[in-house]
Amino acid sequence: GESVGLHLPTLSVQEGDNSIINCAYSNSASDYFIWYKQESGKGPQFIIDIRSNMDKRQGQRVTVLLNKTVKHLSLQIAATQPGDSAVYFCAENKGTGANNLFFGTGTRLTVIP
Amino acid sequence: NAGVTQTPKFRVLKTGQSMTLLCAQDMNHEYMYWYRQDPGMGLRLIHYSVGEGTTAKGEVPDGYNVSRLKKQNFLLGLESAAPSQTSVYFCASRWGPKNIQYFGAGTRLSVL
Repeated sequence: GESVGLHLPTLSVQEGDNSIINCAYSNSASDYFIWYKQESGKGPQFIIDIRSNMDKRQGQRVTVLLNKTVKHLSLQIAATQPGDSAVYFCAENKGTGANNLFFGTGTRLTVIP
Repeated sequence: NAGVTQTPKFRVLKTGQSMTLLCAQDMNHEYMYWYRQDPGMGLRLIHYSVGEGTTAKGEVPDGYNVSRLKKQNFLLGLESAAPSQTSVYFCASRWGPKNIQYFGAGTRLSVL
């Protein structure tokens, strides 16, 4: 499945399938991006980050792709598991000041057993 | 390693009451933040601090005050709570302005 965060805030996938969660960012000068996972009743948890001098970064079962041409970020989760059910949101780092991280509203991923 | 710890986890206030939320981090981070999270909205920054003894306003500072007397602690105060301040509050910290921000588990506040 694939989701654009602002237009399709929910995504349902079968257990074992791959998930793709998308995020459009606003500022072409943004140089650092972070994906967070937030389970119900918990705080946001860091998943993976990527800097603007890269277009791909892989972690354990997750891959982040960055397309600076269209200002688009995606999070791919391989072999989705029930424990992956959560809200996922991207954060965009704009500028050099301390108040420079801006968060999207997120996409809710539901894994169907 | 506890990371970022918030207390209390839950609180119910009556309109006009005051309270303080405590955030403690054990990662020696310079930067600390207070956010609120409301349904359908992204995290919104209330106040932040770039080091011990410093504070600055974020996007939605009205009705809140903060203090950073010790590097590891960041306090968020509500002097006269209003129903509009019903929300989930998250504290976060990070080493520098281009690093991962780590979050606490949150405080659920209801103002009646």
